Amino acid sequence: NAGVTQTPKFQVLKTGQSMTLQCAQDMNHNSMYWYRQDPGMGLRLIYYSASEGTTDKGEVPNGYNVSRLNKREFSLRLESAAPSQTSVYFCASISDVVKRDTQYFGPGTRLTVL
Amino acid sequence: GNSVTQMEGPVTLSEEAFLTINCTYTATGYPSLFWYVQYPGEGLQLLLKATKADDKGSNKGFEATYRKETTSFHLEKGSVQVSDSAVYFCALSDLGQGAQKLVFGQGTRLTINP
Repeated sequence: NAGVTQTPKFQVLKTGQSMTLQCAQDMNHNSMYWYRQDPGMGLRLIYYSASEGTTDKGEVPNGYNVSRLNKREFSLRLESAAPSQTSVYFCASISDVVKRDTQYFGPGTRLTVL
Repeated sequence: GNSVTQMEGPVTLSEEAFLTINCTYTATGYPSLFWYVQYPGEGLQLLLKATKADDKGSNKGFEATYRKETTSFHLEKGSVQVSDSAVYFCALSDLGQGAQKLVFGQGTRLTINP
């Protein structure tokens, strides 16, 4: 049971390049989330998927797109990277929202945009 | 909207000292409250949680009580260890659209010296 996994761990991009961050969970969780972590600002929600087949914007969605490929996988895409997207990105998942279960986090992807 | 305010860091203590990290929140409704911990180079792990007023969450010697009257969820530990050095995040859950959207404080970096 690996929990929540993310790839890659590190990535350096040039301004304007595109890339996709991958996230997968093996806990059969329904909801999945993408957050970004910036120094002194805690984590902020980018996009989320309450269930397979649905996605919604969070607090800071501009410049990103997401795909809930299946119940296990939730990817985050940067179409044209900008230096302001330099951050650490975390994926998370939760089994049952109504029961107020715990949200589990992946190890993160550290992205630098030059 | 909902928000979380945490004690500014960094906080440096000696081993066996008493720890308090303050957390206050603004929210509509009745959110669940969480403390997450992030060790260097890792993702976030749930430390403890409380789902309703007057609940006390506890884990690994840490405690926090959900105080609705003061809108607070302060983290305490009676005797800290070097291994407690990490960044601590207070968070609340914003339930809606079938998802548990976490709203985080800015984080408090804790360093324990031997």
